[in-house]
Amino acid sequence: KNQVEQSPQSLIILEGKNCTLQCNYTVSPFSNLRWYKQDTGRGPVSLTIMTFSENTKSNGRYTATLDADTKQSSLHITASQLSDSASYICVVSPYSGAGSYQLTFGKGTKLSVIP
Amino acid sequence: DARVTQTPRDKVTEMGQEVTMRCQPILGHNTVFWYRQTMMQGLELLAYFRNRAPLDDSGMPKDRFSAEMPDATLATLKIQPSEPRDSAVYFCASGFLLGTPNEKLFFGSGTQLSVL
Repeated sequence: KNQVEQSPQSLIILEGKNCTLQCNYTVSPFSNLRWYKQDTGRGPVSLTIMTFSENTKSNGRYTATLDADTKQSSLHITASQLSDSASYICVVSPYSGAGSYQLTFGKGTKLSVIP
Repeated sequence: DARVTQTPRDKVTEMGQEVTMRCQPILGHNTVFWYRQTMMQGLELLAYFRNRAPLDDSGMPKDRFSAEMPDATLATLKIQPSEPRDSAVYFCASGFLLGTPNEKLFFGSGTQLSVL
């Protein structure tokens, strides 16, 4: 069964500090991996998307890494801001051929940035 | 900015009542998804459409849930009769070029459903 596990479940950091969120997946064969940011009361918003051949991708202060061999990804947030407080969801898409498109979602890491 | 629009934003209803949630996908997107999000399960796929044709609704309880796309600008998710265990946030998402490096996938703000 395809699964995505995220850690930690929740995290509290001081404003200005860096943090790293982890994602392990068992999806195979693998097409791409995304990180989403979900603010309270809002829908998820895409931060990065990586195919299996990519190792790293950045979006401003967000940098995602991917190791397809160990089936692990991380999201690194640099110089955190109060607005980074949100849930971060790792989403993996298996390769399922034409006509089918399934995403497997992690349960997210809830990040709180405090002053 | 183009966005996925969901209505209503919040819905409180009593057990047994019919609930209809609506979604206006982004113009030009050919794929529409319905997801349900709870604290325990996270995001779960209920159904999705491509070019208005239903491709997968295996995540939906068939006896009470139905999803339709009467035209390219409207997708609906209906629950009849509703039950307390249906309480969750329901998200609609639309996208195109899915599975490619240029894919676009956007979520609406969700409908918070509470069934009493």
